[in-house]
Amino acid sequence: DAKTTQPPSMDCAEGRAANLPCNHSTISGNEYVYWYRQIHSQGPQYIIHGLKNNETNEMASLIITEDRKSSTLILPHATLRDTAVYYCIVRASYNNNDMRFGAGTRLTVKP
Amino acid sequence: ETGVTQSPTHLIKTRGQQVTLRCSSQSGHNTVSWYQQALGQGPQFIFQYYREEENGRGNFPPRFSGLQFPNYSSELNVNALELDDSALYLCASSHINSPLHFGNGTRLTVT
Repeated sequence: DAKTTQPPSMDCAEGRAANLPCNHSTISGNEYVYWYRQIHSQGPQYIIHGLKNNETNEMASLIITEDRKSSTLILPHATLRDTAVYYCIVRASYNNNDMRFGAGTRLTVKP
Repeated sequence: ETGVTQSPTHLIKTRGQQVTLRCSSQSGHNTVSWYQQALGQGPQFIFQYYREEENGRGNFPPRFSGLQFPNYSSELNVNALELDDSALYLCASSHINSPLHFGNGTRLTVT
């Protein structure tokens, strides 16, 4: 499975867009990019996933570069409740077990 | 729609003892996965069950075992507890090949 690299921490001002980067330079053609987040004392929460096209849902947008070697999760208007650890995971969708969580990015949204 | 629920929320055991953790899957989901999350780290995959059979296993010894029941609820059993087993144990359910939905975990402390 492709390994992902994320910055350990980021800050964002409340109301501004939060852009969380992820590098996955060894991604294979059949592997999806998944994003989860974990708010303190809770289980991870699914946010979004994509293969090669940009994706958007009610929580976030996912921008995947054309070569698929990196992606960015965008929270368009960050709130204090978005403070969490964000995990970027690469996985073939036919095998959704063994989701390999790294250390993630700790996003702190500040007033 | 009822989410993933886990019990108990907290548990203290002594080294060498055995423990059973329980999980009720989200309604309609037919797979269940278990993860171990040590303090300050991302979740690590233990195993997944689909249609009551183990469908993948991570790098955990045989003293970690599980069951999935016809109603898609599940148990994680750990024998001969060690101090390093102290962690947050997370259960996640899904349809096969769909994103995981996590519970809030059971905090196990081994003394």
